[in-house]
Amino acid sequence: KQEVTQIPAALSVPEGENLVLNCSFTDSAIYNLQWFRQDPGKGLTSLLLIQSSQREQTSGRLNASLDKSSGRSTLYIAASQPGDSATYLCAVSAMKTSYDKVIFGPGTSLSVIP
Amino acid sequence: NAGVTQTPKFQVLKTGQSMTLQCAQDMNHEYMSWYRQDPGMGLRLIHYSVGAGITDQGEVPNGYNVSRSTTEDFPLRLLSAAPSQTSVYFCASSYLTGGQPQHFGDGTRLSIL
Repeated sequence: KQEVTQIPAALSVPEGENLVLNCSFTDSAIYNLQWFRQDPGKGLTSLLLIQSSQREQTSGRLNASLDKSSGRSTLYIAASQPGDSATYLCAVSAMKTSYDKVIFGPGTSLSVIP
Repeated sequence: NAGVTQTPKFQVLKTGQSMTLQCAQDMNHEYMSWYRQDPGMGLRLIHYSVGAGITDQGEVPNGYNVSRSTTEDFPLRLLSAAPSQTSVYFCASSYLTGGQPQHFGDGTRLSIL
């Protein structure tokens, strides 16, 4: 059974720092991995999607990497800003045609202190 | 461009009552799904649909029904509400092919007394 974990559960950093959020999954047979952002009282916003054949994806100050063999993904946030404060979740999709196999991690709550 | 719209945003029910959570998307997405989010449990899939007339169960389907009569709408029905169904419910949609990113609604916060 696929299990997704995220470490740390919570993180507080001063503004301007670079930071890394971690996501681990137990079954390396994934189709893709997504990173989401969730603001309090809101739904999830997709940040980056990495296909299983890719190693990384970049969007602005965000860079996500994927190492299928070790079951790990990292989300790197450069020059953090208070507006980055949110909960970040990763989700893995196990098979292209098995749409019920999207498994979410519990999330990392990020606070960026001005 | 509305994206995924969920109604209501908040609801309080008494045990045993029934209700329908509405979800609509205007992006012509084939795939739609319902999740519940609980503290410490993350998001868990309740039901999903890969197109009009096609639905299937996710991880936690008991106590919930769905139907998909149109591409746009995917309502979630609570048949007889129980306190264990107190949660935040999210609807999501995406294109069916190529592992497309999911788009989420803002959620419905449901309390069962």
